[in-house]
Amino acid sequence: AQSVAQPEDQVNVAEGNPLTVKCTYSVSGNPYLFWYVQYPNRGLQFLLKYITGDNLVKGSYGFEAEFNKSQTSFHLKKPSALVSDSALYFCAVRQLLYNTDKLIFGTGTRLQVFP
Amino acid sequence: EPEVTQTPSHQVTQMGQEVILRCVPISNHLYFYWYRQILGQKVEFLVSFYNNEISEKSEIFDDQFSVERPDGSNFTLKIRSTKLEDSAMYFCASSDQVGNTIYFGEGSWLTVV
Repeated sequence: AQSVAQPEDQVNVAEGNPLTVKCTYSVSGNPYLFWYVQYPNRGLQFLLKYITGDNLVKGSYGFEAEFNKSQTSFHLKKPSALVSDSALYFCAVRQLLYNTDKLIFGTGTRLQVFP
Repeated sequence: EPEVTQTPSHQVTQMGQEVILRCVPISNHLYFYWYRQILGQKVEFLVSFYNNEISEKSEIFDDQFSVERPDGSNFTLKIRSTKLEDSAMYFCASSDQVGNTIYFGEGSWLTVV
């Protein structure tokens, strides 16, 4: 079965510093990996995805993620954090089988950026 | 930018009452989903819907739940007899093709009292 793990419940970083939110995955076959962000009392916003191709994927709001097959990881990164990046971040894997197409989410990581 | 819209944003209902949550998926999308998020927990898949029928449903999606696409634009989730444990944020989502990005709405917060 497909799954993702987000080992950190919360990540704290100072504004202007680089940030990393970790995600590891377990899939059979090729992974389809996604990051979504949830701001307080809001829905899930798509940030970026990895399907195939370059291991470094660029997404919205200056975020990027690095796909590492040997470490089965898909960590979310940003070179310089903003206070407005404070939110809940979800890693997800797309399970694509015959007649099945759904996202399986990690438990989420709360990012807190301090001024 | 096209978006998934959901109504109501928040509903409070008494236990045992029926609830209908409504969604308007992105207009050219063909694949529809409902997910839910219990407060403080992770987002869970409920059901997927394509070509006017359920493609897949999770263990959570029992006989109390149903989905419908009553017309060309709306996609609804009905809970027949709500329980306290149904209190959650319910997200509607849609996608244009299998494997493409799934876009989510803002959610409907359901509180069962």
